[in-house]
Amino acid sequence: NAGVTQTPKFQVLKTGQSMTLQCAQDMNHNSMYWYRQDPGMGLRLIYYSASEGTTDKGEVPNGYNVSRLNKREFSLRLESAAPSQTSVYFCASSELLAGLYFGPGTRLTVL
Amino acid sequence: KQEVTQIPAALSVPEGENLVLNCSFTDSAIYNLQWFRQDPGKGLTSLLLIQSSQREQTSGRLNASLDKSSGRSTLYIAASQPGDSATYLCAVLDDKIIFGKGTRLHILP
Repeated sequence: NAGVTQTPKFQVLKTGQSMTLQCAQDMNHNSMYWYRQDPGMGLRLIYYSASEGTTDKGEVPNGYNVSRLNKREFSLRLESAAPSQTSVYFCASSELLAGLYFGPGTRLTVL
Repeated sequence: KQEVTQIPAALSVPEGENLVLNCSFTDSAIYNLQWFRQDPGKGLTSLLLIQSSQREQTSGRLNASLDKSSGRSTLYIAASQPGDSATYLCAVLDDKIIFGKGTRLHILP
């Protein structure tokens, strides 16, 4: 039982490049989330998916797109990376009575 | 709008002391409250989940309480150790998930 997994762990991009962050969970949770964490800013919600087939914007969605591929997988795409998107990205999944669980994070640097 | 506050923002205590971290929230209509630990450069690890119908949960040296009527939760750490040094965050789970900004805990050897 791996919980929530994320790939890659680290990534360096040049401004304007695109990439997709992958997330998968094996806990059969309905809800999945993408957060970013910056020094002094705490966790900020980018997008979430309450169930397979649905996605909604969070607090800071600009510059990102998401896909809930199936119940297990929720990907985050940066179409044209900007230095302001340098951050640590966390995926999480939850079920109401089970709580919220996080992946190990992806450290992204945009030059 | 739900707001979650954690005070203090930082705390240093000598090894061996018992300590309490505080989490307060403004709307008592919550489903659950969850405490997390985050080590520098690492992800968030779930410590304790308290359902809205529960008053406390225990795991080892950790005890978390929930008082919905007063909008408060506390995380009690017994016999603190240097390995307990980390940032502790609480999150309120209702229609949304709202995090506090965390308490950075340093246990002095």
